[in-house]
Amino acid sequence: ETGVTQSPTHLIKTRGQQVTLRCSSQSGHNTVSWYQQALGQGPQFIFQYYREEENGRGNFPPRFSGLQFPNYSSELNVNALELDDSALYLCASSYSPNEKLFFGSGTQLSVL
Amino acid sequence: DQQVKQNSPSLSVQEGRISILNCDYTNSMFDYFLWYKKYPAEGPTFLISISSIKDKNEDGRFTVFLNKSAKHLSLHIVPSQPGDSAVYFCAATVGQNTGNQFYFGTGTSLTVIP
Repeated sequence: ETGVTQSPTHLIKTRGQQVTLRCSSQSGHNTVSWYQQALGQGPQFIFQYYREEENGRGNFPPRFSGLQFPNYSSELNVNALELDDSALYLCASSYSPNEKLFFGSGTQLSVL
Repeated sequence: DQQVKQNSPSLSVQEGRISILNCDYTNSMFDYFLWYKKYPAEGPTFLISISSIKDKNEDGRFTVFLNKSAKHLSLHIVPSQPGDSAVYFCAATVGQNTGNQFYFGTGTSLTVIP
């Protein structure tokens, strides 16, 4: 059984740029959620995708957007990067929207 | 507004003794609670969960207790082992079929001393 994989593992961008992070869900999972974890904080919910539709969104601005593909993999896009966007971005998949989350190892994004 | 709180940033315990990690929440609508363990450079890994219809759930060395009236849950690890050294997050969510978010605490870093 393949777990959740994320790419890239590390990324450095400058303020104002755009970034795309990718996630492959665990086999058999149809739901993908994205979380942002700032240093010293717990993961904060960005949004969830279920069967290719956004299925819940946290308190993040519209410049955070996403996609889910027919194979249930997902992308997180962030436009107009700000310094405060520097964080670990975690992707998690689950069997259904309210089941426990299985996390990937994350993408560490640094915005300079 | 932090709806799930872990007020102890760190905890040190001798190997073989009990580790008790605590978590408080403010939203009385939460009905499903989970604990995750995180090692450096890895994503959080699910450890144990509890539904609000129960007050205790055990899985091997790990037991989670839920006190709904106090809006408090705790994770007991007995006996503690050096491999348990990690950051532990509690998380909570509301309802079924809402497609909603899990709310996480800020984590407690557990060190088990050999």
